Amino acid sequence: KAGVTQTPRYLIKTRGQQVTLSCSPISGHRSVSWYQQTPGQGLQFLFEYFSETQRNKGNFPGRFSGRQFSNSRSEMNVSTLELGDSALYLCASSSWTSQAGELFFGEGSRLTVL
Amino acid sequence: AQRVTQPEKLLSVFKGAPVELKCNYSYSGSPELFWYVQYSRQRLQLLLRHISRESIKGFTADLNKGETSFHLKKPFAQEEDSAMYYCALRYGNKLVFGAGTILRVKS
Repeated sequence: KAGVTQTPRYLIKTRGQQVTLSCSPISGHRSVSWYQQTPGQGLQFLFEYFSETQRNKGNFPGRFSGRQFSNSRSEMNVSTLELGDSALYLCASSSWTSQAGELFFGEGSRLTVL
Repeated sequence: AQRVTQPEKLLSVFKGAPVELKCNYSYSGSPELFWYVQYSRQRLQLLLRHISRESIKGFTADLNKGETSFHLKKPFAQEEDSAMYYCALRYGNKLVFGAGTILRVKS
């Protein structure tokens, strides 16, 4: 079974630009979550999608948005980039069965904002 | 509010020494807790979950509701245990992570 795949792996943007990151979950997983990982803040929850619906949202500004497609693939978008948005963005998929709750993470997309 | 606290940013021990990575949580309901690990140049992955009461790679963690803790322990550290460890609390359909603890096992 293929793992969670994220693209692109690395990208460099300048302030004010926007970026779109993509995530393909494990086959059969309908839940996709996004996290921002930074050395200072650790893992911060961005949002979670299930069957194309956003079920949970973290405490990030509206510049951060996402969506999920019918095939469970997900994208997140950050508009008007700021220097502080530089981070590793992790996508995770899950089946969220009652006995599981395990997240399967991708390798991440490392965003650098100059 | 739901919160996970890992008080140590870095824990450095010698090979063969016992290890205890601390985790405290704040949650009003019945908690479901996990330990995730990230080895160098590898993706974040589940190490163990409290409901399974399992031992993985020699690590165990016991939920102490009185102290609201879920400390990760291993009696004898190995060099390959060096990694970043995150404690996480399930809240609905999301996980709330602690800030993480870097474990360095010295030879």
